[in-house]
Amino acid sequence: NAGVTQTPKFQVLKTGQSMTLQCAQDMNHEYMSWYRQDPGMGLRLIHYSVGAGITDQGEVPNGYNVSRSTTEDFPLRLLSAAPSQTSVYFCASSYSTGAAYNSPLHFGNGTRLTVT
Amino acid sequence: AQSVAQPEDQVNVAEGNPLTVKCTYSVSGNPYLFWYVQYPNRGLQFLLKYITGDNLVKGSYGFEAEFNKSQTSFHLKKPSALVSDSALYFCAPNFNKFYFGSGTKLNVKP
Repeated sequence: NAGVTQTPKFQVLKTGQSMTLQCAQDMNHEYMSWYRQDPGMGLRLIHYSVGAGITDQGEVPNGYNVSRSTTEDFPLRLLSAAPSQTSVYFCASSYSTGAAYNSPLHFGNGTRLTVT
Repeated sequence: AQSVAQPEDQVNVAEGNPLTVKCTYSVSGNPYLFWYVQYPNRGLQFLLKYITGDNLVKGSYGFEAEFNKSQTSFHLKKPSALVSDSALYFCAPNFNKFYFGSGTKLNVKP
């Protein structure tokens, strides 16, 4: 099992450019999510999905889009990059969905994004 | 609103000494409680969780955590710290979705 795979590992964008961060998992997890990690602020939830075809917003969704066409993949799209989106992005998946979130999250190794 | 607090940005401890990393949370209901560890340039890794039952939970790498319902706390502990325990630790209560604390950097000195 590869677990959760994120690509690319590093990316530099200019303001206004768009890009897609890729996330794939091979554990047949229903729940997938995207977080951003900023110094002193912990991890903040951007978007999440409880299954193929179902997505919802987290704490900081503005400027990001997601879709979930398959169980395995959950890409994150930056529509028009801004310097405030400079961050480290983590994709995470879990077996549990609904109110019974008693299974841990499995994280990818992150994408470090810089917007100039 | 649900919230989680890790009051110490950094904890310093000598190798061989016991360590505690603190976490308190504010919630209506009974959340599931998790601890994760993050090593440099890596994603978070699951350490342990409390769902129900015994208030002392044992996890990976010799870590354990004590759940206190009246104080709404879930402190991470280890009886004897190792230099290799140096990392960033996150408390994450789950109230229908995960909420992460701001993290505590643990420095274990030889």
